[in-house]
Amino acid sequence: EAGVVQSPRYKIIEKKQPVAFWCNPISGHNTLYWYLQNLGQGPELLIRYENEEAVDDSQLPKDRFSAERLKGVDSTLKIQPAELGDSAVYLCASSSPDRSPYNEQFFGPGTRLTVL
Amino acid sequence: SQQGEEDPQALSIQEGENATMNCSYKTSINNLQWYRQNSGRGLVHLILIRSNEREKHSGRLRVTLDTSKKSSSLLITASRAADTASYFCATLQGAQKLVFGQGTRLTINP
Repeated sequence: EAGVVQSPRYKIIEKKQPVAFWCNPISGHNTLYWYLQNLGQGPELLIRYENEEAVDDSQLPKDRFSAERLKGVDSTLKIQPAELGDSAVYLCASSSPDRSPYNEQFFGPGTRLTVL
Repeated sequence: SQQGEEDPQALSIQEGENATMNCSYKTSINNLQWYRQNSGRGLVHLILIRSNEREKHSGRLRVTLDTSKKSSSLLITASRAADTASYFCATLQGAQKLVFGQGTRLTINP
């Protein structure tokens, strides 16, 4: 089966500009995650969706970050305006409790954001 | 915030040697998972050990879990150049929340 797809793979923007990332999870996976990974660190959860509902967004900086998963499949993560400190890799992952009751998550390749 | 700490932060060994990485965590867990991340690529799930298990094997991988010490180790035997990557432990807290450690950067020298 196809894996988690993310685009773009790389993005370079000026600070204060908006940016959006797109994720298409594995078919049939109803849980979708966005993670932030700073250089040399492990991923940190930003938001988790169950179908189209955001069930855990406690770590999402809501003043500038937003996310949506309108039809419970694809998702977009937006930053507006971007700051220098937002430079990082943004990872999308998906999982399905029906297929993996222990919550094995499948990750996309990530989007590397550079804010200048 | 990240759950645990991994030790060492970086490890360099010769091909064919065994590599051992350790992970400590702070809270109670449902399971602990190890992931690998190659340069420029996403994370790949390697192995999962449940909180009521003490040891698990998968190919050249061996994972141990000591819940009394809140620690786990990952052993890679007979290392290969392709094992060069960063390795992360991740603990499952509650039903869905996966919390990652900072990772160990492993380099296998030919």
